[in-house]
Amino acid sequence: GAGVSQSPSNKVTEKGKDVELRCDPISGHTALYWYRQSLGQGLEFLIYFQGNSAPDKSGLPSDRFSAERTGGSVSTLTIQRTQQEDSAVYLCASSLARGNEQFFGPGTRLTVL
Amino acid sequence: GESVGLHLPTLSVQEGDNSIINCAYSNSASDYFIWYKQESGKGPQFIIDIRSNMDKRQGQRVTVLLNKTVKHLSLQIAATQPGDSAVYFCAENTSGYSTLTFGKGTMLLVSP
Repeated sequence: GAGVSQSPSNKVTEKGKDVELRCDPISGHTALYWYRQSLGQGLEFLIYFQGNSAPDKSGLPSDRFSAERTGGSVSTLTIQRTQQEDSAVYLCASSLARGNEQFFGPGTRLTVL
Repeated sequence: GESVGLHLPTLSVQEGDNSIINCAYSNSASDYFIWYKQESGKGPQFIIDIRSNMDKRQGQRVTVLLNKTVKHLSLQIAATQPGDSAVYFCAENTSGYSTLTFGKGTMLLVSP
C-alpha cells in the first residue's frame, strides 16, 4: 500500500513569506507527527495529532508555526513570516496508534532565502 | 555517540564486516526503543524495535541489544553491505507520552 506522502518535496521561499507543507498519512493511521531536521542533526519533534484529541503542540518553536489535521487524515504545517533559521527538512510520520512504529514520509526541504 | 555541531559520528567499515552502532539514552523511564535508518534525501526507515522487558531482539542481519542498567542501546549489523551506508538514529519512547525522542545519529560508511 501507499506510504506517507509529503508535498512539495522542495520549497524555496523568501524571508517573511508564509509557507504551507502538506502530509498525507497512511490510511487508517490515527496518529500523525511533524518533525524538523536541520542539516546533520537529529529529528526535532514539532507537533502530534491523535484521532480527535487536542494536538500536542509542545514542540512548536514559536507562534509562527501552526498545524492542523482535517478529517483525521491530511495535515498541513504552516510557517508564517519565515526566517532563515526555519530552513530544514520537515518530516511527517504516521502510526496506527500512539507508541507504535512511526512510518516517515520523504520530507519537504524548505530553504528560506 | 555525541555529535559535535554539524559533524555526525561516523563508523567506517569494510563490506562483509560486522558493524556495531551505539546509542546512549537519558530517560530511565523509557520503555520502547527503535532504530531507524535514513538514506540521503529520504525519510527515516524503521529497522528494528525493542521493549524494555527484553534485552535482545534479532531481525534479518540486525540485532538490537538493550542494557537498561547503563541506559545503552546498540545496533549490530552482520555482514555489512554497501547498501547499509546511511545515518542510523536511535529513538526512545515512554508509555503515556506521545512522542519519540531521537538521538543525533551515526553515519555508517561501508566500503566495497
